[in-house]
Amino acid sequence: TQLLEQSPQFLSIQEGENLTVYCNSSSVFSSLQWYRQEPGEGPVLLVTVVTGGEVKKLKRLTFQFGDARKDSSLHITAAQPGDTGLYLCATNFGNEKLTFGTGTRLTIIP
Amino acid sequence: EAQVTQNPRYLITVTGKKLTVTCSQNMNHEYMSWYRQDPGLGLRQIYYSMNVEVTDKGDVPEGYKVSRKEKRNFPLILESPSPNQTSLYFCASSFSLPFYKLNEQFFGPGTRLTVL
Repeated sequence: TQLLEQSPQFLSIQEGENLTVYCNSSSVFSSLQWYRQEPGEGPVLLVTVVTGGEVKKLKRLTFQFGDARKDSSLHITAAQPGDTGLYLCATNFGNEKLTFGTGTRLTIIP
Repeated sequence: EAQVTQNPRYLITVTGKKLTVTCSQNMNHEYMSWYRQDPGLGLRQIYYSMNVEVTDKGDVPEGYKVSRKEKRNFPLILESPSPNQTSLYFCASSFSLPFYKLNEQFFGPGTRLTVL
């Protein structure tokens, strides 16, 4: 079974601080997605990264796809309470199944 | 409005009593799937469907059945529910699942199932 491991599992920081969360695998993936899930709702797509070394920015969020295509990171600058949620990475490892990571539960303290 | 709907949103049942959770999408998506979400385990895929009449097992299919008779509907069936199937369930859909670049998955609001 191919796995996506996310770290840290839990993260609680003060508003205004910066943070980085990680998604790693022992297998290469062709593309990777990041989703955010808020309590009581389904996950919502933030970004899809496709090319090794690719960097995408979404306002204060910066997503990076590792050169070896086995890892990705999400960096948030000046975190705000609205960033609170469960962050999930996902890929299909080149087949028909979708695999999600275990998630990072982020809490931003006002 | 483009959406994925699931019913019911909450369900409490007893061991062994067959149940069906419905899922419907209005976006003409080909790919649909079911997930369960448990604390510390993330989202795990139960079953997926590439198109009408084409279904296959995900990572945790034991105890579940699905069918895809119409493009828009993808019900999840628990023939004999057990307490270990207590979980939060999500249905999702996307245009397709290309191998090179993933398409956006649209998720339903979730169904919280408790099996006593």
